[in-house]
Amino acid sequence: AQTVTQSQPEMSVQEAETVTLSCTYDTSESDYYLFWYKQPPSRQMILVIRQEAYKQQNATENRFSVNFQKAAKSFSLKISDSQLGDAAMYFCAYRSARVPGTYKYIFGTGTRLKVLA
Amino acid sequence: NAGVTQTPKFQVLKTGQSMTLQCAQDMNHEYMSWYRQDPGMGLRLIHYSVGAGITDQGEVPNGYNVSRSTTEDFPLRLLSAAPSQTSVYFCASSTRNQPQHFGDGTRLSIL
Repeated sequence: AQTVTQSQPEMSVQEAETVTLSCTYDTSESDYYLFWYKQPPSRQMILVIRQEAYKQQNATENRFSVNFQKAAKSFSLKISDSQLGDAAMYFCAYRSARVPGTYKYIFGTGTRLKVLA
Repeated sequence: NAGVTQTPKFQVLKTGQSMTLQCAQDMNHEYMSWYRQDPGMGLRLIHYSVGAGITDQGEVPNGYNVSRSTTEDFPLRLLSAAPSQTSVYFCASSTRNQPQHFGDGTRLSIL
């Protein structure tokens, strides 16, 4: 069975600085998707970034980028120029692409990011 | 475009009561799922559906029931509420190749 591990329950970053959130996963599959979701205090789940395992190029979305290391099964999220609005819980998630029809997502336990003014 | 709509947003129940959490999506997504979110445990899959008439169990299905009679709706039923079911519940939907869209969640307290 696949697992997703976020080993940092909480992180802090100074406004305008850069922070990296860690995520590791375990799978025997070669084809899958990885995601980072943001959950602000409003409780909404907001997609931050998505990575297809078959793509070697790391995904980027404005100030958010990932470091995808497939062999190491690592998927870290880098937030550049941190803003107060980035303060939230961040979840890493895995979804298999090899088994059509299951669409199961597996989530990590989350990392709470605090942004200091 | 409403996306994924969950009702109610908050609910308090007494132990033993039953209730249904509603979830509706207007994006014609074939895949829908229910999660519960508890402190320190992330989101755990309760039940999911890959299309109308097709449902399956997730990681924590006990005490919950689902059905999918239409593409749009995927209600979650608590058969006999227990304090251990106090949680925040999220419904999500997606297509095969797109990320999940989440509803705003339902905070459920069981006394």
